[in-house]
Amino acid sequence: QLQLQESGPRLVKPSETLSLMCTISGGSISSSSNYFWGWIRQPPGKGLEWIGIIHYSGSSYYNPPLKSRVTISVDTSKNQFSLNLRSVTAADTAVYYCARHKSSYNWLDPWGQGTLVTVSS
Amino acid sequence: QSVLTQPPSVSAAPGQKVTISCSGNSSNIGNNFVSWYQHLPETAPKLLIYDNNKRPSGIPDRFSGSKSGTSATLGITGLQTGDEADYYCGTWDSSLSAGVFGGGTKLTVL
Repeated sequence: QLQLQESGPRLVKPSETLSLMCTISGGSISSSSNYFWGWIRQPPGKGLEWIGIIHYSGSSYYNPPLKSRVTISVDTSKNQFSLNLRSVTAADTAVYYCARHKSSYNWLDPWGQGTLVTVSS
Repeated sequence: QSVLTQPPSVSAAPGQKVTISCSGNSSNIGNNFVSWYQHLPETAPKLLIYDNNKRPSGIPDRFSGSKSGTSATLGITGLQTGDEADYYCGTWDSSLSAGVFGGGTKLTVL
């Protein structure tokens, strides 16, 4: 059974870089060309926001409002992919989820349990 | 403001039926598949409907999805108190080259 788990610092200072890792178990990140791997977040009291996705080949797509600050990378040797969000502010405080994204059909499943990252000095 | 429009809340009594709408345009819902997610507090969102109207294994047939033009609808019959959650629609936006979600709908089972 495929499972995803987020990890990384829970507290980040304003203007610094938020870095999270998603570790995949029960399957390989490169087992199928039909899937991307993505990040989604939910600020407190708000809805889901799509951040971006990456294919194991390195191809990626980002949410335009975040594109200038976001980098998603993949490490096939470790079966992981990561999120870097630069120059964070309090508005970036959110629960961050990683998930598998089905190419062309655009559904997300499964999801990681999520991790709350707070931006504060 | 979300690219896809959902009602903020819906409510119905146990055993009744409810529908949740999701409105978009030709760049997103009109030309791409729609999925729906159930989000319970303190849990990960769960895929309920994919490819407009298909249910993953383990999702009861009380949940259904449909799409017409630039709108999609999630239907839930035989409402149970355990269905109380936030529901989100999602799809791809070809103009943005990015995924998009609706703002979410809070379902209350009275």
